[in-house]
Amino acid sequence: QTVVTQEPSFSVSPGGTVTLTCGVISGSVSTSHYPSWYQQTPGQTPRTLIYNTNTRSSGVPDRFSGSILGNKAALTITGAQADDESDYYCLLYMSSGIWVFGRGTKLTVL
Amino acid sequence: QLQLQESGPGLVKPSETLSLTCTVSGGSIISGSSYWGWIRQPPGKGLEWIGYIYYSGSTDYNPSLKSRVTISVDTSKNQFSLKLTSVTAADTAVYYCGRLNVMGDYNSFDFWGQGTLVTVSS
Repeated sequence: QTVVTQEPSFSVSPGGTVTLTCGVISGSVSTSHYPSWYQQTPGQTPRTLIYNTNTRSSGVPDRFSGSILGNKAALTITGAQADDESDYYCLLYMSSGIWVFGRGTKLTVL
Repeated sequence: QLQLQESGPGLVKPSETLSLTCTVSGGSIISGSSYWGWIRQPPGKGLEWIGYIYYSGSTDYNPSLKSRVTISVDTSKNQFSLKLTSVTAADTAVYYCGRLNVMGDYNSFDFWGQGTLVTVSS
């Protein structure tokens, strides 16, 4: 099965900018993978942040943005806040009806 | 507002079958723009897509689980269900149901159930 890669952990200072990435070992991520991003705090249900590569879900602050950077999907947080400290997961469509979550990135804001 | 709610036993014995149901309210499961899916998360680990079903009964499954998984739909009850056979401790997880919205280019899970912890233990 295709492995979707994410950085295991990342740290950002309050007010800083951080870019989390989502890749595939066997090739490049493109818009055809329909990358989406989810935020999850411990004990909570995942919350959709970004869908279709770069569209923010309703109610998501504009400090969150999605893109394709090189051969990976990317989630950028500009002006990080303390409550952005969460786990972040990407989800990719792999064709033939198969979807794969990334392994997640634990973001620390300090 | 669409709502999803998982239900089923919280404890299953090894080698037995895990069965969960997701009840959809606030909207119809008969939707041309929706696939109804199951996702799980072992304690302290990441999310894993299990599979999904269309209201017509068409399914797709995670290849790593395909031999043990069956997802079914009951449109009369606005419910869909998950069965996972021959469970082991590795199947212990919080199980979420969710809607995969495929309207236009959305292609993302937009509504999730609260999740239910299923523990596999004798």
